[in-house]
Amino acid sequence: DAKTTQPPSMDCAEGRAANLPCNHSTISGNEYVYWYRQIHSQGPQYIIHGLKNNETNEMASLIITEDRKSSTLILPHATLRDTAVYYCIVRVALNDMRFGAGTRLTVKP
Amino acid sequence: DAGVTQSPTHLIKTRGQHVTLRCSPISGHKSVSWYQQVLGQGPQFIFQYYEKEERGRGNFPDRFSARQFPNYSSELNVNALLLGDSALYLCASSLGGQIEQYFGPGTRLTVT
Repeated sequence: DAKTTQPPSMDCAEGRAANLPCNHSTISGNEYVYWYRQIHSQGPQYIIHGLKNNETNEMASLIITEDRKSSTLILPHATLRDTAVYYCIVRVALNDMRFGAGTRLTVKP
Repeated sequence: DAGVTQSPTHLIKTRGQHVTLRCSPISGHKSVSWYQQVLGQGPQFIFQYYEKEERGRGNFPDRFSARQFPNYSSELNVNALLLGDSALYLCASSLGGQIEQYFGPGTRLTVT
């Protein structure tokens, strides 16, 4: 069973920030939070991960609450190509990657 | 550099048959994982191999097996196919024990 809860779908206007929430209230101290996305008909693509601190890379920012029970993936300037299913995953080991149903983000012109 | 490659792209099999799916990891990656993705759901973990040894197994029946070769490529085998085995089968590679996995485009298996 997935250890995360995400809204099934979200819309975002092109050029605006997309904020995708994830609840992981049962996360343990050594479990990382990962985000992947899957564009239609392609394999999932790694976006970002974090443990405690907020993280930023060229694709997105990850904000993790102080109690680590939830996080938000931020796409600062969403484009039409960001339309995809976004998966939030908590993982303690390489062989324990559990994808949930994810959030289907639709970026609209 | 080439990414993760999988073959074949599409496959149609009949119930009861056997299938072999193949995966070539990114050069230098020693770990390969296999996932099954049924339409409308997220990927489900099947196996992970590192340095030719099985390091993890998901909740799949013994009809599913895999192996990793000395060049780190991998095969996923499924015996006695059922209609419910119809899915996209994804392969992912990583350096080994690394956080970031790189997924291939998948093999679409249809069982009739």
